[in-house]
Amino acid sequence: GAVVSQHPSWVICKSGTSVKIECRSLDFQATTMFWYRQFPKQSLMLMATSNEGSKATYEQGVEKDKFLINHASLTLSTLTVTSAHPEDSSFYICSASRTGAISGNTIYFGEGSWLTVV
Amino acid sequence: AQSVAQPEDQVNVAEGNPLTVKCTYSVSGNPYLFWYVQYPNRGLQFLLKYITGDNLVKGSYGFEAEFNKSQTSFHLKKPSALVSDSALYFCAVRVPLADRGSTLGRLYFGRGTQLTVWP
Repeated sequence: GAVVSQHPSWVICKSGTSVKIECRSLDFQATTMFWYRQFPKQSLMLMATSNEGSKATYEQGVEKDKFLINHASLTLSTLTVTSAHPEDSSFYICSASRTGAISGNTIYFGEGSWLTVV
Repeated sequence: AQSVAQPEDQVNVAEGNPLTVKCTYSVSGNPYLFWYVQYPNRGLQFLLKYITGDNLVKGSYGFEAEFNKSQTSFHLKKPSALVSDSALYFCAVRVPLADRGSTLGRLYFGRGTQLTVWP
């Protein structure tokens, strides 16, 4: 079945530095990927929609200069947290759907990436 | 506006007993409904989905869900719970393709229900 891979699973970085998280669709092409943020025991909050070959679409309240998204190929989207601060510490999850899927496609999620900013 | 409600933060059942995790939705047009499960520190795993057809949908790990259009519900069920079913469950609705401005794959999530199955 379709698999979405995220890397790294865990990352610790110093305050003020930047960290990149990758999201890959392993056996299908995805023109659109989604980045979510999840706080402990809470639901997923959509941060942005990543579109291959174009700019990402950010949800209201999400700083685009803070959370840089690049979707350079049909199988890879990256989220870069710039100038990270402790309040950016969170669980980040990506998802992807198949290119050209008919209605009813299933959306697959990565395993998530834990970011801790110290 | 699309929305999903999971009225229970927590559901506790004894192993071997049937379980139900509730979900109601509000969406314009025909809904595409999903259930996902999340184990601690992990991503979301797909359980099942309803797109069209039979209202009773069977999914992974013995779970099933019934689409009820009149009640706008999509409750998750399992006839006999296992301790290993203990996890966080999310109901989600996808924006129908007919909606202008919709993005294929955009999901709206409920807040999640923590299921605990005790031995």
